[in-house]
Amino acid sequence: AQSVAQPEDQVNVAEGNPLTVKCTYSVSGNPYLFWYVQYPNRGLQFLLKYITGDNLVKGSYGFEAEFNKSQTSFHLKKPSALVSDSALYFCAVATGGYQKVTFGTGTKLQVIP
Amino acid sequence: DTAVSQTPKYLVTQMGNDKSIKCEQNLGHDTMYWYKQDSKKFLKIMFSYNNKELIINETVPNRFSPKSPDKAHLNLHINSLELGDSAVYFCASSQDDTGAKYFGPGTRLLVL
Repeated sequence: AQSVAQPEDQVNVAEGNPLTVKCTYSVSGNPYLFWYVQYPNRGLQFLLKYITGDNLVKGSYGFEAEFNKSQTSFHLKKPSALVSDSALYFCAVATGGYQKVTFGTGTKLQVIP
Repeated sequence: DTAVSQTPKYLVTQMGNDKSIKCEQNLGHDTMYWYKQDSKKFLKIMFSYNNKELIINETVPNRFSPKSPDKAHLNLHINSLELGDSAVYFCASSQDDTGAKYFGPGTRLLVL
């Protein structure tokens, strides 16, 4: 069975500082990894994905994520946080096959002005 | 130019009633989904359809019945609503197995 863990319920970061939202996964086989963002009272929005290839994936709004196979991690990063980045972030993992995707429990990012 | 739309946005109803939620996507995607997000923001897949065929049916009570009249629409009908059905229901679509999902705005269901 596949699983994904987001160990932090909330991450606080000052505006302008780099941010990291952590994600680790467990799958049998090669993972497909995703990050989504959810703003209040909105649906999830796709940020980026890793399927294969370069371990550093660049996505929307200046976000990037690094796939680390040995640590089974896929942390989300941004060099300089904006107040508008404050939202709920979900990591997700799949192993293909009609997208039976498992979502993490979400991490609330609070960027402090 | 909404990619994935859902109606209604809010739904307040009494226990025991039957209700439907509609979803439409104009992205030309082959696969559509229903997800349930509970009060703790935990997101769980309910159903997945690929070209109008049911692909994933996670342990969802029989009271929930999805219907896909064509690949652009996936509706969710719920019979005999219970208090525990209160949640936000999201429709989503994706192009293929590795594709990103595009989510609708959600339907906030409150069962009284």
